[in-house]
Amino acid sequence: DTEVTQTPKHLVMGMTNKKSLKCEQHMGHRAMYWYKQKAKKPPELMFVYSYEKLSINESVPSRFSPECPNSSLLNLHLHALQPEDSALYLCASSRDLGGWGQETQYFGPGTRLLVL
Amino acid sequence: TQLLEQSPQFLSIQEGENLTVYCNSSSVFSSLQWYRQEPGEGPVLLVTVVTGGEVKKLKRLTFQFGDARKDSSLHITAAQPGDTGLYLCAATPDSWGKLQFGAGTQVVVTP
Repeated sequence: DTEVTQTPKHLVMGMTNKKSLKCEQHMGHRAMYWYKQKAKKPPELMFVYSYEKLSINESVPSRFSPECPNSSLLNLHLHALQPEDSALYLCASSRDLGGWGQETQYFGPGTRLLVL
Repeated sequence: TQLLEQSPQFLSIQEGENLTVYCNSSSVFSSLQWYRQEPGEGPVLLVTVVTGGEVKKLKRLTFQFGDARKDSSLHITAAQPGDTGLYLCAATPDSWGKLQFGAGTQVVVTP
């Protein structure tokens, strides 16, 4: 099973709303990731968690707040977003951060976010 | 500057034709991945190549990893409309989780 699940599939929110995106994997992977993807562009890395600790923050604005409650779950809390934050948000997981294939990432289906 | 140079950016072919997508870099990678992505969906992993010179086959798709582990190619034989999608190569230049993507190749296969 190489499944990463994400909820919700679609989300529309106003600029004053607070919402959360959820991601789950049961592959025993110890690294999890959030990406943002705009149309016709490759995914852009936002955050990396390794063994439930934040490992990389790619200078993401504080209106995006990640959380890793346990090794299977990853959340992305959204607050006071801007219309330019509208995008496809992807979660991914990998066995580890090490090389030689261990770092192969498996992606979820994404959450399509629209900020009005 | 893109770490992974992917070409071509766009390919439109008829069903039954063959196609090749290239992914080149000046960096050495311990592994490289190919993904296919459909609009509004997440990238789906097609293959991971690890060994220099490795060739992997997945039905009509053939993946090659260069001997020096700096480049890769994806070849599709007798393309079908179901092969339509955005093909992305990706690799991690170090061990710290920062997966780098090529710009992607949009493949359109018409019946």
